[in-house]
Amino acid sequence: SYELTQPPSVSVSPGQTARITCSGDALPKKYAYWYQQKSGQAPVLVIYEDSKRPSGIPERFSGSSSGTMATLTISGAQVEDEADYYCYSTDSSGNLPVFGGGTKLTVL
Amino acid sequence: EVQLVETGGGLIQPGGSLRLSCAASGFTVSSNYMSWVRQAPGKGLEWVSVIYSGGSTYYADSVKGRFTISRDNSKNTLYLQMNSLRAEDTAVYYCARGRTTVTDYYMDVWGKGTTVTVSS
Repeated sequence: SYELTQPPSVSVSPGQTARITCSGDALPKKYAYWYQQKSGQAPVLVIYEDSKRPSGIPERFSGSSSGTMATLTISGAQVEDEADYYCYSTDSSGNLPVFGGGTKLTVL
Repeated sequence: EVQLVETGGGLIQPGGSLRLSCAASGFTVSSNYMSWVRQAPGKGLEWVSVIYSGGSTYYADSVKGRFTISRDNSKNTLYLQMNSLRAEDTAVYYCARGRTTVTDYYMDVWGKGTTVTVSS
């Protein structure tokens, strides 16, 4: 079955740039998406189609994708950005979605 | 306002059945891809099932043959019928609206979730 691989944790100080990676064999042909999930809350879409930002998401959130790796970048991370972040994509057929294992971002 | 509200979760014994509902407002369920995603305690997100606007359905291997996704257009509601429940089905179940692209789809709006606990 298809898998997306993320680092379990990333830690930065407030104001620093946080980068979270996601690797998957189908990413050269499929978009990557990123969800933020704060403790006890439902996931929220923060990046779609590799690099687009939904309305209401701060400009410090950006995304990119190259080859088999997608990256979520949080420029000037803030304490309120502490959350679990999940990448999402579909397999080569486009019918079976998969989430990465999630990355816990600590900002302190 | 676009909103999804899940109901139907609870405590159920192994081998039992449960039906989850997801009432939508602000958009039409039948015109969108609709998915169920679950999250076991302390674990990551796991996609469970999707129903396309055209009615096609797909399932994760972990639930195939046991779970059935459906919708009631008159009630603008999505369902997940869960049979032969196992302890490993214990999770918060989210419903989510899907958006399509040329090559795939993703979830843009999520409900708050409903908790299913499978235990004797």
